[in-house]
Formats: sequence, C-alpha cells, structure tokens
Amino acid sequence: EVQLVESGGGLVKPGRSLRLSCTASGFNFGDYAMGWFRQAPGKGLEWVNFIRSKTYRETTEYAASVKGRFTISRDDSKSIAYLQLTSLKTEDTAMYYCSRAPETNYYDGSGYYLPLLDAFDIWGQGTMVTVSS
Amino acid sequence: EIVLTQSPGTLSLSPGERATLSCRASQSVGFGYLAWYQQKPGQAPRLLIYGTYSRATGVPDRFSGSESGTDFTLTISRLEPEDFAVYYCQQYGSLPFTFGPGTKVDIK
Repeated sequence: EVQLVESGGGLVKPGRSLRLSCTASGFNFGDYAMGWFRQAPGKGLEWVNFIRSKTYRETTEYAASVKGRFTISRDDSKSIAYLQLTSLKTEDTAMYYCSRAPETNYYDGSGYYLPLLDAFDIWGQGTMVTVSS
Repeated sequence: EIVLTQSPGTLSLSPGERATLSCRASQSVGFGYLAWYQQKPGQAPRLLIYGTYSRATGVPDRFSGSESGTDFTLTISRLEPEDFAVYYCQQYGSLPFTFGPGTKVDIK
C-alpha cells in the first residue's frame, strides 16, 4: 500500500525549532519529488515547499512565508522527507501534510527541458504543530 | 503569484443533483496544471483531478474537470452521500503553487 506518515509535531514556544518527518512506503521514494503543505485550524490549504529527486539534483523551492526559516531535505536510503522548522511564529500553527509528486519534463522547443512537477497525488494524514507561549 | 478564486463559497444540494464548482485564475495557468482536491473533516486532501481534465486513480467518473481560458470547472454529475465535502482547486504550473479558498458542498 502506498503510504505517507508524518510525525514530529507538537506544542512549541515561539522562536523555537521543530523537525517533522515524513516516512514513505509502498513506492520507490527516490523517484518522486516530495512536498509539504499546511492548513491552519479552520482555514484553507497552503503550499510550503518541495524538494526534487536526485535526478533533478534535489533542488528545493519555498513559499515566501517560510523561506529562510524552514528547510526541506530527504534521505532516500530511509524513504524519509524532513521539514526543519526554525524561528517558529504563532502563525505557523497548522496541520502539516507531506505529499509526493511525480516529476516530468517540458521541452521548450529551443533545446531545453524544463523540470516540472505533476500534481501531488498521495498525502499523509498530517502532524499538528502548535506554536504558543 | 497566481490568485485562484472559487465560487460559490458554499453549495447546498441534494444527493443525486449535479454540482458545478468554479475556480477562476488571475492569469494563465502554465501547462494547464490545475488540480482539484476533496477534503473531508479530519482527513487529508485527496487528489481528484489533475492537468485540468484527468481523473486521478480510483476517482469515479461522475467527477470531471474542464476549462475555458482562466476559468476552470469541477463537475460532479450526480452527488453521492460521500461527495459532501470541501473542494479546493490548486495551480502547480508556476511558483508559488497556490490554492483557492475552497467550496463547501453540503447537504440541502
């Protein structure tokens, strides 16, 4: 069964750090980009970041709201994606979901292939992060 | 940043009825990379439609996606009891990836 399981959430004070883990099973983890999303209580979904596969040099992208504070990484040997959260703020309080995305290429017609992500198709059940003093 | 606007905010319908959900993008969505997700209370989002038109694995064919320029539509042909949920559109054709605010489909 294809599955993602998040862990590491909890209650943390503003300014502190936390590391979330996303453990994958049932598929070849190294073949996929991995991303994190979050959802504040009673609110909508927000993309946080993603990391591409080794094929695409594990490059990363971040939402402006977390850039410089959050770091995504991956360990393909363990099939785990990590999200390091630092300098946490009360507005970071949310359910954090990890998800996988297939990778693809788009040929731009001038000799270059643009790396793209397809839709995030499998999601974990989430881990709650509460930032409060 | 592409802003997605969903309408209506809430759609009250009965089982068996047709649901039409709208998602309008503030600019062109690159590569047609528009997805629809379903989320039920206490659950993770579930991918329904990707690439504007394609159904994800295991999604019933009563769900369909379409587009007209920067206007995207999710249609549920006949609502089943398990379809009452919140639906989000998301564009993943350009960074930052963005979501619409959601449409809640509830039982009339």
